[in-house]
Amino acid sequence: AQSVSQHNHHVILSEAASLELGCNYSYGGTVNLFWYVQYPGQHLQLLLKYFSGDPLVKGIKGFEAEFIKSKFSFNLRKPSVQWSDTAEYFCAVNAYNNNDMRFGAGTRLTVKP
Amino acid sequence: EAGVTQFPSHSVIEKGQTVTLRCDPISGHDNLYWYRRVMGKEIKFLLHFVKESKQDESGMPNNRFLAERTGGTYSTLKVQPAELEDSGVYFCASSHVLRSANNEQFFGPGTRLTVL
Repeated sequence: AQSVSQHNHHVILSEAASLELGCNYSYGGTVNLFWYVQYPGQHLQLLLKYFSGDPLVKGIKGFEAEFIKSKFSFNLRKPSVQWSDTAEYFCAVNAYNNNDMRFGAGTRLTVKP
Repeated sequence: EAGVTQFPSHSVIEKGQTVTLRCDPISGHDNLYWYRRVMGKEIKFLLHFVKESKQDESGMPNNRFLAERTGGTYSTLKVQPAELEDSGVYFCASSHVLRSANNEQFFGPGTRLTVL
């Protein structure tokens, strides 16, 4: 069965610090990978996604993620965080052509101004 | 285009009572999903509808949970009778079979259920 693990439960950074949130998944086949973000009081929204092609994908608000197939990883990065990035971040995976999404436990990011 | 909506936003009930959650997907989206997040844990898949048919209900925790999608539009998720461990946030998501490449899902705001 697919599973997703996010390494950090809560990350606290100062503004302008660099961010990397870890995500590993377990599934042997072709996968689609996602990062979702939930800002305080708002919906879950898609930050970025990987389906195929260039393993370095760029999303909204300066975020990017790199798919490393050999490591079953899809880590999220941002070179310089802002206070407005304070949110909860979820990594998710579904098998190619399968609708059912599996999520990680989420990482809460707090950015201090 | 209106997003996925859910009602109510928050429900507080006592153990043993019944609660019905509603999800209205994005118009034209055939796929509808229910997820649940228990505090501090991962968002867990509950079930998936394609139109009015249950495609996969492998995530439903037990027979106290009943999901319906009559007519293939909105969906309801009924919990009867509710237990303390049912507390959490219930998310609904929808996707378009053809237009959403690889089934990107759009999420509603969630319903926070508290069972006392």
